[in-house]
Order: sequence, then C-alpha cells, then structure tokens
Amino acid sequence: AQSVTQPDIHITVSEGASLELRCNYSYGATPYLFWYVQSPGQGLQLLLKYFSGDTLVQGIKGFEAEFKRSQSSFNLRKPSVHWSDAAEYFCAVVWYRDDKIIFGKGTRLHILP
Amino acid sequence: EAGVTQFPSHSVIEKGQTVTLRCDPISGHDNLYWYRRVMGKEIKFLLHFVKESKQDESGMPNNRFLAERTGGTYSTLKVQPAELEDSGVYFCASSQGSGGATYNEQFFGPGTRLTVL
Repeated sequence: AQSVTQPDIHITVSEGASLELRCNYSYGATPYLFWYVQSPGQGLQLLLKYFSGDTLVQGIKGFEAEFKRSQSSFNLRKPSVHWSDAAEYFCAVVWYRDDKIIFGKGTRLHILP
Repeated sequence: EAGVTQFPSHSVIEKGQTVTLRCDPISGHDNLYWYRRVMGKEIKFLLHFVKESKQDESGMPNNRFLAERTGGTYSTLKVQPAELEDSGVYFCASSQGSGGATYNEQFFGPGTRLTVL
C-alpha cells in the first residue's frame, strides 16, 4: 500500500540550530512530494513541493528539501530555526493521476529558547 | 482573495447526535476535497468532488457520513449519528482545474475540530 513515513513524532531543537525532518515514501514510481506545515489555529500551508528536475527544492520560510530517489526520501531542512517555526510538519505525496494526498503522521517541532 | 473557509471551527456533540460541517472553497475552484485526522493518526483522504459530482469517495469510512456539494460551490459533510471514533479534525481543500496530466495545488482550510462525547 502507498504510504509515507515520518519516523519522528516530536523533535526539539534550540533556536538558531539546524533542523532536519525525515520522510520516506513507499517504493514505487516517484510521486509528487510535498511538505506542509500547520501552526496552532491555522490550516495546512504548503512549504515546498517536488515534481521533477533539480532534486534540491527551495520553499518558503527558508526551508529546503532534498529528494533522494535511491532512498525514497524527501527530508526537510532548515539551517537555522526560529521560535516561530514551532509547528507540526507533514510530509505528503500524490501519485501520478491520483488527486488524493497521502500524508505522513506528522512531526511536531518544539523550539527551545 | 479569500482562502478556503470552514465552519464551525469547533463542534462538541454527544454520541448519537448529528453534526454538519461546511466548507467554502476558493471561488472558481472546481475540485473540493475532504480529509480528516483522528487523534494520533495521519491525515486521511475522505472524498473528492469535481463541481457537484463525487469523483472519488473511496475514503469515506461508512454510511454515517454524507457529503454534498449542491451547485458545485460550498460543500457539507454530515455525520449521523456521530460516534466517539469520529472525533478529530476535518479539513477541506480546493484546487483549480480538472486534473488530468497536471497536478493542481490543493489549498487547505483551517479545519473543523469535532469532539464527540
């Protein structure tokens, strides 16, 4: 079955530190890949997406993600986190010609001052 | 331009009661989707409308859930009768176009938090 795995439920980092959130999808044809963020009281906001081409994609708020086909991974990174980055992050995929989004379980990011 | 809106933001009902959630998509978006997240689980697809037609309802959990999109504008999701396991956050999303070979970004609303006691 098609699935998305985010192995870390919670991650805590200090403000200013670097961040990497992990995401793997089930093996098969390369899907469209996304990272969403949900801040408290807000809807899901698209951070970045990968459809094809350059495997390092830049998103909003200083985030980037790298697609690695050999590892079926799409990890999210940020060189220096800010307190406002505290939120829940969802990795997601859409398989070609299928509109429904398949989400991972989410990683909640906590920021230490 | 207004985003996707959902009403209510939070609903608390007792088991056995009926609740209706509403979603207003971005104006002009033909595609409307419902997703939900129950406690501790991932966000899961429920169904997809193209205009007023149900394109895919493979994610609807059972016949206690009824979704409508009259006139191809706003959509409602009714749960009748509600059960404890229906508690969670219900998200609506909308996108332009008719799909096909091009993926159209889905824009999400803030969600409705449903609590069934």
